[in-house]
Amino acid sequence: GAGVSQSPRYKVAKRGQDVALRCDPISGHVSLFWYQQALGQGPEFLTYFQNEAQLDKSGLPSDRFFAERPEGSVSTLKIQRTQQEDSAVYLCASSRGQGNQPQHFGDGTRLSIL
Amino acid sequence: AQSVTQPDIHITVSEGASLELRCNYSYGATPYLFWYVQSPGQGLQLLLKYFSGDTLVQGIKGFEAEFKRSQSSFNLRKPSVHWSDAAEYFCAVVTTYNQGGKLIFGQGTELSVKP
Repeated sequence: GAGVSQSPRYKVAKRGQDVALRCDPISGHVSLFWYQQALGQGPEFLTYFQNEAQLDKSGLPSDRFFAERPEGSVSTLKIQRTQQEDSAVYLCASSRGQGNQPQHFGDGTRLSIL
Repeated sequence: AQSVTQPDIHITVSEGASLELRCNYSYGATPYLFWYVQSPGQGLQLLLKYFSGDTLVQGIKGFEAEFKRSQSSFNLRKPSVHWSDAAEYFCAVVTTYNQGGKLIFGQGTELSVKP
């Protein structure tokens, strides 16, 4: 597609439920990033993939968060046993490769935990 | 640790007036610097970037930014603001060049435009 696509746009879940958020990057983009944006804050880095390899997961807040990109294109961010503090917008971005390549962002998934 | 500071949480300007949004970064070497804009319910759109060379960079929508190493700043400017510029603006820095370049963002500056 022309841009980064994320689904669903909105997700409401009860505390304790598992959720899965999908990111479809720009075709041919090697690098894929997940960010978490709390209300009124700037995005914060969660994890980074280069093709199918997860090279940096230092930003994942707990072991309840898990991300994968098995075929080097679509990525899924999974949150297990959701907590209220997980409520945020989750942004996905992709880029051609190295750090000097600009990241292109999707519109995000707004996750609300009740 | 690398960090980005945007001192102004909220700025209001009149339509047609000039604009300057401040950004300061903390990093030992010359970083890659970016400005992004975010409209409500939308993702982030890249306005401009600085990697090296000319310290005054031009971006989309009539924005420009100037890199000042001595002040560790990368302020965003626009000579004449339009009502459609109302949005949230984020300054960001990349420091991990060899691993795709994760972005470190400032807290953002919300811009309101008065008619």
